[in-house]
Amino acid sequence: DTGVSQDPRHKITKRGQNVTFRCDPISEHNRLYWYRQTLGQGPEFLTYFQNEAQLEKSRLLSDRFSAERPKGSFSTLEIQRTEQGDSAMYLCASSPGPGIGQPQHFGDGTRLSIL
Amino acid sequence: QKEVEQNSGPLSVPEGAIASLNCTYSDRGSQSFFWYRQYSGKSPELIMFIYSNGDKEDGRFTAQLNKASQYVSLLIRDSQPSDSATYLCAVTGGFRDGGATNKLIFGTGTLLAVQP
Repeated sequence: DTGVSQDPRHKITKRGQNVTFRCDPISEHNRLYWYRQTLGQGPEFLTYFQNEAQLEKSRLLSDRFSAERPKGSFSTLEIQRTEQGDSAMYLCASSPGPGIGQPQHFGDGTRLSIL
Repeated sequence: QKEVEQNSGPLSVPEGAIASLNCTYSDRGSQSFFWYRQYSGKSPELIMFIYSNGDKEDGRFTAQLNKASQYVSLLIRDSQPSDSATYLCAVTGGFRDGGATNKLIFGTGTLLAVQP
């Protein structure tokens, strides 16, 4: 069990550029979640996958954001035409599956800074 | 009303004392409750989870859940300077969410400072 892995750890880009982040969940974890955290706030839910199916996307998420989990293993989160307000820590978490009490384990996150 | 509320702190306790962290939630249908510890600049680390009324103990940590009062707490006994961090309370979506996603709804966290 190597834990949830995220890449890159840091990303600095200019406003208007596209960025893509990768998350590798704990092996055999069926559920994968993406959250966003800004300074002084708790993580905010963005979207989640059950295997390869994206089952929910936050209403707060604009259509500039897209996520995939093509083979039910790793996932990517893409932000198109980045804006200043996208600067945040992007966190990925995975859990064994649904059900009461299934804990989510977080990766180290990708810190995005928009210049 | 926020879905999950925590006192932002800072909560300052002397080394060796008991730290008590509190959290209330608004969705009566929430079923699972989690405490995460987050050091500055790091990602959240799971400390405890609870889903039945009562107490759950793990080492120096005790989680307490009272669903009737919609209240969750975390007690840290024999607090150490290394416990100094932000503690995030999280609950899974309940009735408003359909109860199916298990997405976590977080509070803003309580900053704990343990003084040597």
